[in-house]
Amino acid sequence: AQKITQTQPGMFVQEKEAVTLDCTYDTSDPSYGLFWYKQPSSGEMIFLIYQGSYDQQNATEGRYSLNFQKARKSANLVISASQLGDSAMYFCAMRGMNRDDKIIFGKGTRLHILP
Amino acid sequence: SAVISQKPSRDICQRGTSLTIQCQVDSQVTMMFWYRQQPGQSLTLIATANQGSEATYESGFVIDKFPISRPNLTFSTLTVSNMSPEDSSIYLCSAGGSSYNEQFFGPGTRLTVL
Repeated sequence: AQKITQTQPGMFVQEKEAVTLDCTYDTSDPSYGLFWYKQPSSGEMIFLIYQGSYDQQNATEGRYSLNFQKARKSANLVISASQLGDSAMYFCAMRGMNRDDKIIFGKGTRLHILP
Repeated sequence: SAVISQKPSRDICQRGTSLTIQCQVDSQVTMMFWYRQQPGQSLTLIATANQGSEATYESGFVIDKFPISRPNLTFSTLTVSNMSPEDSSIYLCSAGGSSYNEQFFGPGTRLTVL
């Protein structure tokens, strides 16, 4: 069975600092995809970044990068130069490579950016 | 990218009643997924809806409580039946995009049961 673990329930970070949100996963599937979503208080799920299990390079999307360590089964999200608008809930998720596979989520990390 | 809409966006209901939530995708998808997010919690998969067959429910969720319809490749409904205050949650539908690295979500339905 697949499992996602996010061990940081909450984090406080000073504005403009970089922040790393931890995510470890467990799966027996050889191929899988890892997603990070941001959920502000409005409730919408905002896609941030994706990493495929066979991708050779770590994914990057603007200020977001994914520190993917396959052997350790970790996929940490790094946000550079944090902004007040980054305050939100962040979820790590995993899915098979097929669009029809279900996606499962970790418990999430609530990030607070301090001015 | 796919666009997913949901109706209603929010509702306040009395216990014992039922609410049907609609989900519309702007492109054809084989599978649609329904999630529940209880206050302060993560997203939990309720069921997977495949057009032309009965939905597949996750452990802890039953068809009598959460009946699902999937009449075509772009639409699905989730009904929350015989509601209690414990059903107060955000309900989200989701579908994979045309590319393997896409998974889209509707804006959610915020349900409060009194």
